[in-house]
Amino acid sequence: AQTVTQSQPEMSVQEAETVTLSCTYDTSESDYYLFWYKQPPSRQMILVIRQEAYKQQNATENRFSVNFQKAAKSFSLKISDSQLGDAAMYFCAYKGVGAQKLVFGQGTRLTINP
Amino acid sequence: DAGVTQSPTHLIKTRGQQVTLRCSPKSGHDTVSWYQQALGQGPQFIFQYYEEEERQRGNFPDRFSGHQFPNYSSELNVNALLLGDSALYLCASSLFSSGARGEQYFGPGTRLTVT
Repeated sequence: AQTVTQSQPEMSVQEAETVTLSCTYDTSESDYYLFWYKQPPSRQMILVIRQEAYKQQNATENRFSVNFQKAAKSFSLKISDSQLGDAAMYFCAYKGVGAQKLVFGQGTRLTINP
Repeated sequence: DAGVTQSPTHLIKTRGQQVTLRCSPKSGHDTVSWYQQALGQGPQFIFQYYEEEERQRGNFPDRFSGHQFPNYSSELNVNALLLGDSALYLCASSLFSSGARGEQYFGPGTRLTVT
């Protein structure tokens, strides 16, 4: 079974600085999808960024980018120019090609200090 | 374009009771997945419905059951509630034909408290 591990329960960063959230996963599949979701206090999960395992190029969405290391099974999220609105729980998630269910990590609570 | 909606927002039940949670998918979506998120944890997959049938199921007991209606909306039923069933229940919708690359859109969740 696939597992996703986020080793940082909490992280904090100064506004306008850069922060990196870590995620590792375990799978025997060669093709899959990886996601970072944001869950603010409003509770609604919002997709931040997605990476397809067969693509070597790291995904980027505005201030959000990933460092995808397939051999190491590592998928970190970098947030540049942090803003107060970035404060939330961040979840790393895995989805196999043959499945529709998401497997989530335990989450990292990100605090932005003004 | 309405997103995923869930009702009710909050619910308090007593041990041993039964509960029904409801979800309406995003317009154009035909697949509904349910997740349980315990406090301080990541969501855990319960099951997924497509074409009114349960397609995939996570590691949850038979007390958890569901239904999908012809309009693609879905219900999650939990019987014989336990204190450990207290959690945020998230519904996510997607388009089945998009396969694994299809994005799942989440609703705001239903907070269930079992006393």
